[in-house]
Amino acid sequence: RKEVEQDPGPFNVPEGATVAFNCTYSNSASQSFFWYRQDCRKEPKLLMSVYSSGNEDGRFTAQLNRASQYISLLIRDSKLSDSATYLCVVNSGSNYKLTFGKGTLLTVNP
Amino acid sequence: DGGITQSPKYLFRKEGQNVTLSCEQNLNHDAMYWYRQDPGQGLRLIYYSQIVNDFQKGDIAEGYSVSREKKESFPLTVTSAQKNPTAFYLCAAADRGNTEAFFGQGTRLTVV
Repeated sequence: RKEVEQDPGPFNVPEGATVAFNCTYSNSASQSFFWYRQDCRKEPKLLMSVYSSGNEDGRFTAQLNRASQYISLLIRDSKLSDSATYLCVVNSGSNYKLTFGKGTLLTVNP
Repeated sequence: DGGITQSPKYLFRKEGQNVTLSCEQNLNHDAMYWYRQDPGQGLRLIYYSQIVNDFQKGDIAEGYSVSREKKESFPLTVTSAQKNPTAFYLCAAADRGNTEAFFGQGTRLTVV
């Protein structure tokens, strides 16, 4: 089983749609989790951290399920500017190894 | 201006030559990372370092080498043993503990 597995996508949605990305991780000792956004030919940038209690930032909601070793990202009311690749990231904690999922490409259409 | 600086942005080399990619940070972060990204793919970890004078192999270390002689610097050498070196290389730094990583703008290496 891969350390971090992510929905392969791509996702093509109309403006205003709600879209969800999912990611599973294999190391039950993993301690921190993040969602990054990467625009074409650019470096990844942090979108949001993922906390056990779940967290929300405007139209974005991230959730963590430790029992199922699963994290998710929900985007509500999609905008054209949300078009990008979304990467889930897991920090194993003990040795600070940061492992990325393969990313899911989102295209929001007018 | 704080952050991660990678240089150069574009690099061309002939097959069989070693090449070193620079990564410098002024964030005072202990952990640094090198990733490789191929077109349409995610980031794959090459090497990472938790602290000065220490580093660990990532998932695809073969054909690469690193050093961590200073906290702010983590250069990556792509050796002639790396069979498919053409890729986008990204360097990152993170504070120790469960914090996010910050990335440099990347180096696009093309080997001809």
